[in-house]
Amino acid sequence: ETGVTQTPRHLVMGMTNKKSLKCEQHLGHNAMYWYKQSAKKPLELMFVYNFKEQTENNSVPSRFSPECPNSSHLFLHLHTLQPEDSALYLCASSHPTNEKLFFGSGTQLSVL
Amino acid sequence: DQQVKQNSPSLSVQEGRISILNCDYTNSMFDYFLWYKKYPAEGPTFLISISSIKDKNEDGRFTVFLNKSAKHLSLHIVPSQPGDSAVYFCAATSSAGGGNKLTFGTGTQLKVEL
Repeated sequence: ETGVTQTPRHLVMGMTNKKSLKCEQHLGHNAMYWYKQSAKKPLELMFVYNFKEQTENNSVPSRFSPECPNSSHLFLHLHTLQPEDSALYLCASSHPTNEKLFFGSGTQLSVL
Repeated sequence: DQQVKQNSPSLSVQEGRISILNCDYTNSMFDYFLWYKKYPAEGPTFLISISSIKDKNEDGRFTVFLNKSAKHLSLHIVPSQPGDSAVYFCAATSSAGGGNKLTFGTGTQLKVEL
């Protein structure tokens, strides 16, 4: 399998649930990203990892907790989310400092 | 405050004609610009990019123009094909900020009609 794979594709969760989004890349990249896309809004950068180290947290609430165990895998752990957190969550990867990002298909999240 | 703006949420063009998608930016530190295309249920895919040292970059049917003084860039698709129907995102970044932190616009939905 090649490219950037995200699971699950769709997720519905209650505000008290805990869930995790998973991202895996097979491109040999060492930088990984989480982006959020809400309706009618631009893609918003959430987190950046370079060589497994978090280098950017774009003022994201602590109910979103990223984890990068190695350069190929990225997780986003979710707990006590709010309905306004419903959005498309996109994972991306690249070579470090390279502008060309490769995106996964995203997880469409609905918080009830 | 949106630093990258795509003021046209949608554009409809006839097959074979030129599609012109526009993008404006406000941050003068941006020195690299990209266009991504997104089909429904898929992630954005890289289309074409341009560095601020250039004013034009061409790749097949796609050409990006950059006007630094106006802080404006545009994507031209000639000739437009039905398969080009998608959402197009403009993105910008600054090499001083590491280069890999992209700021995106809200996208323009292009529909190419037969």
